[in-house]
Amino acid sequence: GEDVEQSLFLSVREGDSSVINCTYTDSSSTYLYWYKQEPGAGLQLLTYIFSNMDMKQDQRLTVLLNKKDKHLSLRIADTQTGDSAIYFCAERPTGYSTLTFGKGTMLLVSP
Amino acid sequence: EAGVTQSPTHLIKTRGQQATLRCSPISGHTSVYWYQQALGLGLQFLLWYDEGEERNRGNFPPRFSGRQFPNYSSELNVNALELEDSALYLCASSPTGTSTLEQFFGPGTRLTVL
Repeated sequence: GEDVEQSLFLSVREGDSSVINCTYTDSSSTYLYWYKQEPGAGLQLLTYIFSNMDMKQDQRLTVLLNKKDKHLSLRIADTQTGDSAIYFCAERPTGYSTLTFGKGTMLLVSP
Repeated sequence: EAGVTQSPTHLIKTRGQQATLRCSPISGHTSVYWYQQALGLGLQFLLWYDEGEERNRGNFPPRFSGRQFPNYSSELNVNALELEDSALYLCASSPTGTSTLEQFFGPGTRLTVL
């Protein structure tokens, strides 16, 4: 079965880089997603990566995947106060259509 | 393009009552997923509908049920409400025929059971 773990809280200063970490347990090929949830809102898909990739970059976001350790990270460069939100890591093994989410990491960006 | 919409935004019920939550997917999406986001528990998968059929179900009791209509909109019904059903219920939709199966989420319905 799948289990996705995340640290619960991260605090950074505006302009710094943020790194949010996630570990997953499923051993089959899988898609891994990062979602952002702002207060009172639904989830916004930020990016995703397939488990045969090592890295994906999209503007200020960089996703790194360590397949051996089943460790996924989301790096946000030049973090802004508007990046303050809860970030969810999610996993979907190929052949399945449902996502398994971590409990979310609350990112707090201070000026 | 309109996103996933959900109604109502907030719903207040008492124990033992029934709640009905509604979701309209993005135009062209045939799959609808329901998730429960309860405090401290993260997001838990509830139900998946595709082409009008229930395709998968999470680890929830049978009093959580739903359906998908011919226009692909969906309804989630929760019978015999309990206090611990208080949560944000999120609906997501995805297109068919794509291997990535990105799920796009609505803003949620906040259900409070008193």
